[in-house]
Parts: sequence; C-alpha cells; structure tokens
Amino acid sequence: AQSVTQPDIHITVSEGASLELRCNYSYGATPYLFWYVQSPGQGLQLLLKYFSGDTLVQGIKGFEAEFKRSQSSFNLRKPSVHWSDAAEYFCAVGADSSYKLIFGSGTRLLVRP
Amino acid sequence: NAGVTQTPKFQVLKTGQSMTLQCAQDMNHNSMYWYRQDPGMGLRLIYYSASEGTTDKGEVPNGYNVSRLNKREFSLRLESAAPSQTSVYFCASSPSGTSYNEQFFGPGTRLTVL
Repeated sequence: AQSVTQPDIHITVSEGASLELRCNYSYGATPYLFWYVQSPGQGLQLLLKYFSGDTLVQGIKGFEAEFKRSQSSFNLRKPSVHWSDAAEYFCAVGADSSYKLIFGSGTRLLVRP
Repeated sequence: NAGVTQTPKFQVLKTGQSMTLQCAQDMNHNSMYWYRQDPGMGLRLIYYSASEGTTDKGEVPNGYNVSRLNKREFSLRLESAAPSQTSVYFCASSPSGTSYNEQFFGPGTRLTVL
C-alpha cells in the first residue's frame, strides 16, 4: 500500500533563507508525486508534480522538487523564502490505475522577518 | 470562472443534527472528491465520484452520504452529526479519475459538532 511521510511537523526559517521540506513515500513502482500548498483559510493549490522523466521538477512560486528513487524521497526546495510562503505544505502520492491520492500529514512553514 | 465553490464556510451543529455540505465546480470536470482534514492527519478521502450518478467510498466513509445529481454538483450529507465529525471538509474536482490529474480544491467548510 502507498504511504507518505512528512517527518517535520513545523519548520521555521528566516525570510531570504533557503528551504527544504522533506517527503518520503512508500510505493512499489514509480509513483505520481505532488506538492500542494495550503495558505491559511484556503483550499489546497498544486505547486508541482512528478510523473516521469527529469527528476528535478520546477513549480510555481519559485519552488522545485527532486525525485530520488534510491531514497524514496521527493523533497521540496526554494532558494530564498518570502514571508508570503508561510503556509502548510502537503506531499501526496498517487498510483497508476487509481484515482486515489494519499496525502502526508503536512509541514507547517513559519517565516521569521 | 469560480473553480470549486463550497457552502457554507462555517457551521456549528449539535450532536444528532443533520446537514448537507454543498460543492459545485464550473470546470466541466468528471471526477469529484470529498476530503476531511484533521490536525496531524493530512487529508483523508471520504467519498469519490467518477461521474454523474456514480460514487465510491474512500478511506473514512462512515457517517456520511453523498449525492452526485449532475456533473457540476457533489453534496456531502451528515445524517446524525457526532463530535468526531468536527473537521474541515474540502471538496475537489479533477478532469478524470486518474491520480496523475491535478485536483482543484474548494476553500473548505469548517464544521464543529458540539
């Protein structure tokens, strides 16, 4: 069965600092991988997704993520965080032939001025 | 183009009361979803609808019913609310029911059951 682990419940970074949010998945084949962001009081918005091909994917708002099969990871990165990036971030995994997305428990990002 | 809309935004119920959460999308999507979000648990799928008139149970369907009367609308009903159903409920839609499709989310309904 698929599963997703986001080991960090909260992360605090200073504005302008770099960011890396961790995501580990469990799935036998190549999964479909997603990062969603949820701003306070809002629904989820897709940041980026990986299906196949280049393991480094670019998303919106300056985010990128790297798929590492050997580590079963899909970590989200941003070189310089802005105060508006404060939100909750969810990693999700999907499988071929299924409509289901399995979401991680989320990482809440706080940005220090 | 409003995307996915949900009503109401907030609701307080007493134990045993019933209510229906409404969801509508204007993107001509075939698939629609209901999730609940609880602290530390991410999003869990309650029900899924691949098309008008079809529904499928998700991970946590107990205590809920759904209705997909047309392509645009997918409602979630709590027949007898319980405190364990206090949560934030999200509706989502996608072009089709394969997991590589992006899901588009509504703003959520925050439900408290006393």
